[in-house]
Amino acid sequence: AQKVTQAQTEISVVEKEDVTLDCVYETRDTTYYLFWYKQPPSGELVFLIRRNSFDEQNEISGRYSWNFQKSTSSFNFTITASQVVDSAVYFCAPQPASGTYKYIFGTGTRLKVLA
Amino acid sequence: DAGITQSPRHKVTETGTPVTLRCHQTENHRYMYWYRQDPGHGLRLIHYSYGVKDTDKGEVSDGYSVSRSKTEDFLLTLESATSSQTSVYFCAIKLAGEETQYFGPGTRLLVL
Repeated sequence: AQKVTQAQTEISVVEKEDVTLDCVYETRDTTYYLFWYKQPPSGELVFLIRRNSFDEQNEISGRYSWNFQKSTSSFNFTITASQVVDSAVYFCAPQPASGTYKYIFGTGTRLKVLA
Repeated sequence: DAGITQSPRHKVTETGTPVTLRCHQTENHRYMYWYRQDPGHGLRLIHYSYGVKDTDKGEVSDGYSVSRSKTEDFLLTLESATSSQTSVYFCAIKLAGEETQYFGPGTRLLVL
């Protein structure tokens, strides 16, 4: 069985602080995909990143970076120099390589960035 | 923009009435999904479709049915709405050659 955990329910930071959102995906599968989505207060779901289980290289995109460590089953997301516009709920969504492309969504972490 | 629209965007209905939500896409994507979002649960898959007339259940399919008679439309029906089906419903599509799903804007359903 697979299990995804976003243990941080809510995080508050002051603008310009760095913040890391944790995601742990426990599975016996060797092949899977990992996704992060952002849900701002307006409600839409915005795709941020996709990684596969064979790629443990960190990825950086502007102020966003992602660190995947297969040995600890963690796929963490860091925002550097946070801004008020980063305030949102962030979902980690693993996808087993089953051919149906179904996600297993985490419960989300609400990030509040205070001015 | 993956060309996904959902209708209606908001609906209030009464317990026991049938409700149909529509997901429409304009780009012939094969895979389509219906999720519900509730506080404390993230998004949970209700049903999905991998082609016209090809559908399967997700983890929370009880009380819901779907139909896909043409590629562009995926309908979600609550045969007899209950208050526990008050939720935000998201439709998603998967692009060919990718694993990523892209989501529609959502439908807020309130069952009184």
